[in-house]
Amino acid sequence: EVQLVESGGGLVKPGGSLRLSCAASGFFFSGYTMSWVRQAPGKGLEWVSSIFFDSSYIYYADSVKGRFTISRDNAKNSLYLQMNSLRAEDTAVYYCASMVTNPTGFFQYWGQGTLVTVSS
Amino acid sequence: DIVVTQSPDSLAVSLGEKATINCKSSQNILYRSNNQNYLAWYQQRPGQPPKLLIYWASTRESGVPDRFSGSGSGTNFTLTINSLQAEDVAVYYCQQYYDAPQTFGQGTKVEIK
Repeated sequence: EVQLVESGGGLVKPGGSLRLSCAASGFFFSGYTMSWVRQAPGKGLEWVSSIFFDSSYIYYADSVKGRFTISRDNAKNSLYLQMNSLRAEDTAVYYCASMVTNPTGFFQYWGQGTLVTVSS
Repeated sequence: DIVVTQSPDSLAVSLGEKATINCKSSQNILYRSNNQNYLAWYQQRPGQPPKLLIYWASTRESGVPDRFSGSGSGTNFTLTINSLQAEDVAVYYCQQYYDAPQTFGQGTKVEIK
């Protein structure tokens, strides 16, 4: 059974930092491009960032470029998102998802999400 | 960026009836070299993460009931739910992956009438 389990969310002040993690199991993690997709409370879905299976290519949405860093550790079947200089508009549930096709693609497997709240 | 617009924003359908959701992209998302439309559909039930239903505009994901079908090409697409069931109450999103950044529609909420 495919499982993606996010962790690391929480309450942080504007300008603060947070690191999200996603632990994967049940599929060939190291063969997939992985992504983060977020959803602000009561709103729609927004793609945030993607990283190729071997970390050779990395992409960011303009809204997070220069502030967020995606990375992965294939030996640990884990995906990460380092979020710096957080703003109120970054408040959202952050989903880890596997992506099919490159460099853009559709999202096949999703985690349950972790909530990030940016507020003073 | 390619803008993806869904209609309607919400609809109420009786159990056993058909629900139709439309999705329009601001640019053509049919890639001529492989004749594929770069469009996916997702279902998000209340309190749950999104679930992939359809990709390449009309290919059902494994395990998705055949009452869900996708159609369309170019810039206009449709998700049809035949014989609506109670468990189909959800928000449905379309997404284009033809060009970066991949973008989602705003969502269509489906309820029981």
